[in-house]
Amino acid sequence: EAQVTQNPRYLITVTGKKLTVTCSQNMNHEYMSWYRQDPGLGLRQIYYSMNVEVTDKGDVPEGYKVSRKEKRNFPLILESPSPNQTSLYFCASILTSGGGDEQFFGPGTRLTVL
Amino acid sequence: AQKVTQAQTEISVVEKEDVTLDCVYETRDTTYYLFWYKQPPSGELVFLIRRNSFDEQNEISGRYSWNFQKSTSSFNFTITASQVVDSAVYFCALSEDLAGTASKLTFGTGTRLQVTL
Repeated sequence: EAQVTQNPRYLITVTGKKLTVTCSQNMNHEYMSWYRQDPGLGLRQIYYSMNVEVTDKGDVPEGYKVSRKEKRNFPLILESPSPNQTSLYFCASILTSGGGDEQFFGPGTRLTVL
Repeated sequence: AQKVTQAQTEISVVEKEDVTLDCVYETRDTTYYLFWYKQPPSGELVFLIRRNSFDEQNEISGRYSWNFQKSTSSFNFTITASQVVDSAVYFCALSEDLAGTASKLTFGTGTRLQVTL
């Protein structure tokens, strides 16, 4: 079954404590992306990756890092989380078909930074 | 820059009513794609439809229908005979045709639909 998985699904942490949200896809897609969702703002792209070792910033990259060492995994790293990073995070794996890329979203990770 | 506007923040209807969710977009590209996603209370994003900029035919899928009008840059979503299970936040999104690069979705701010008995 085609899947995008994220872990953890829920996390409460404290300011400054480094954390990683993992994202994994089993569809062999080259493109992956991270979004955050905030009330009244919709979803905004944080980072994206076009392939292994190729990443670039989205609209709201400040305070985040990513890595793409393997095609299937695209972790999101918060080195020093702050309360304004409390949000719902979605990972997406992207099927590029030349006819409009289709984004497969993970189930979301709800992060609270105290 | 791309922009998607969903002016309706919240809509409340009684079951069996028809409801239309508005979506207006801005883009400079001639080739682009429009999407609708549903986010039920459980939080996941459910893909509903993708439409490219060259296909202005309306689409109907069961109780759902979409009206794409390039002349007004709108891609509205209608639910006919709404049901309680339709209660969710609905997002409209726009993607440019960025061949060779990672395509990004620009989302609207969402419309929360509440369907009551």
